[in-house]
Amino acid sequence: QKEVEQNSGPLSVPEGAIASLNCTYSDRGSQSFFWYRQYSGKSPELIMSIYSNGDKEDGRFTAQLNKASQYVSLLIRDSQPSDSATYLCATMAGGNEKLTFGTGTRLTIIP
Amino acid sequence: KAGVTQTPRYLIKTRGQQVTLSCSPISGHRSVSWYQQTPGQGLQFLFEYFSETQRNKGNFPGRFSGRQFSNSRSEMNVSTLELGDSALYLCASSVRDRGGYTFGSGTRLTVV
Repeated sequence: QKEVEQNSGPLSVPEGAIASLNCTYSDRGSQSFFWYRQYSGKSPELIMSIYSNGDKEDGRFTAQLNKASQYVSLLIRDSQPSDSATYLCATMAGGNEKLTFGTGTRLTIIP
Repeated sequence: KAGVTQTPRYLIKTRGQQVTLSCSPISGHRSVSWYQQTPGQGLQFLFEYFSETQRNKGNFPGRFSGRQFSNSRSEMNVSTLELGDSALYLCASSVRDRGGYTFGSGTRLTVV
């Protein structure tokens, strides 16, 4: 079992709709959770961080964390073609500055 | 504000050679990490430095090493290069523990 699992996709969403990206993790010691966006040929870009259970909103992005279910999600509202990218979920255990990444979900927004 | 700067952007090396990659973190960021990204394995953690000390190390052979200088700049070295070392090497920095890491543009290493 991989430490951080994501559906590799591709996930296709119509422009203007909500894109929902999911991630599960196996290490119960994980305390910090991040979503990165990576465009083809570019490096990962941090878009959201979340540390406690519940929702965290930033503009069109909402991160959701459920530690009991070991589940993290990212919602993108009003999806735009510029949101087309690979989204990487990453976790970090307490006291360890190591990011463990999932393999990423490729998202395509259809105009 | 300048981002994380990595040099060089591209490198082509021959098997058996060694290579040194450089990273300048964002000003004020003291934690610097290195990652290897390949199509097959994705992003994998190499090591993390804080105040010139290696605090965390990933599961890579001893051919992979690194260091951090007093100005937080970091280098990583790969000796006795193998074809499988071909990858994008990413440096990332963070202003605090458990904070999000900002990645540089990476160094694309090709071993032939």
